[in-house]
Amino acid sequence: EDQVTQSPEALRLQEGESSSLNCSYTVSGLRGLFWYRQDPGKGPEFLFTLYSAGEEKEKERLKATLTKKESFLHITAPKPEDSATYLCAVQGPTGNQFYFGTGTSLTVIP
Amino acid sequence: NAGVMQNPRHLVRRRGQEARLRCSPMKGHSHVYWYRQLPEEGLKFMVYLQKENIIDESGMPKERFSAEFPKEGPSILRIQQVVRGDSAAYFCASSLLPGQGPQETQYFGPGTRLLVL
Repeated sequence: EDQVTQSPEALRLQEGESSSLNCSYTVSGLRGLFWYRQDPGKGPEFLFTLYSAGEEKEKERLKATLTKKESFLHITAPKPEDSATYLCAVQGPTGNQFYFGTGTSLTVIP
Repeated sequence: NAGVMQNPRHLVRRRGQEARLRCSPMKGHSHVYWYRQLPEEGLKFMVYLQKENIIDESGMPKERFSAEFPKEGPSILRIQQVVRGDSAAYFCASSLLPGQGPQETQYFGPGTRLLVL
């Protein structure tokens, strides 16, 4: 069965303390891997799409990387406004649906 | 450039009533997806629609749930005879085109939070 697993479930960082979030997947025929940010009470906000192993994308303090089995979201020198739940989603071979992980809840302490 | 819009944002229903959730995709998008998010769980795919067509409803419960995306107007997710277990956040997403590439990135609305009393 296709599966997406994110770790850790929750992460508390001091402001400026860099770290990485992990997304591992077992979906066969991967078409794309997507990272979203979700704030409480809101819908997921698109961050990145990765299509092939070795690909990297960057946006401000965030950098996403992809291997054949997993993706990492690296957060460099985070700020309190980076606090949110980060969701990973994998697009299966039909392209019709995204399989979501349960997310990593990130809290950045000033 | 308006994003995906959903209404209502919050909906309270009593057991046995009907719930209607609406979704207007981003301008120019003709592909709509519905997801359900239960507390402490990830988003779960329900249905994928194009204008006037249901393409994939593999995640939709067989009973009480239906979806449509008419030629004119928003997409509607309809839940008949709601039960307490239907309480959840329902998100709609839209994309520009199918096929690999930025065109199939799904952009999400703010969600409708359904509470069944």
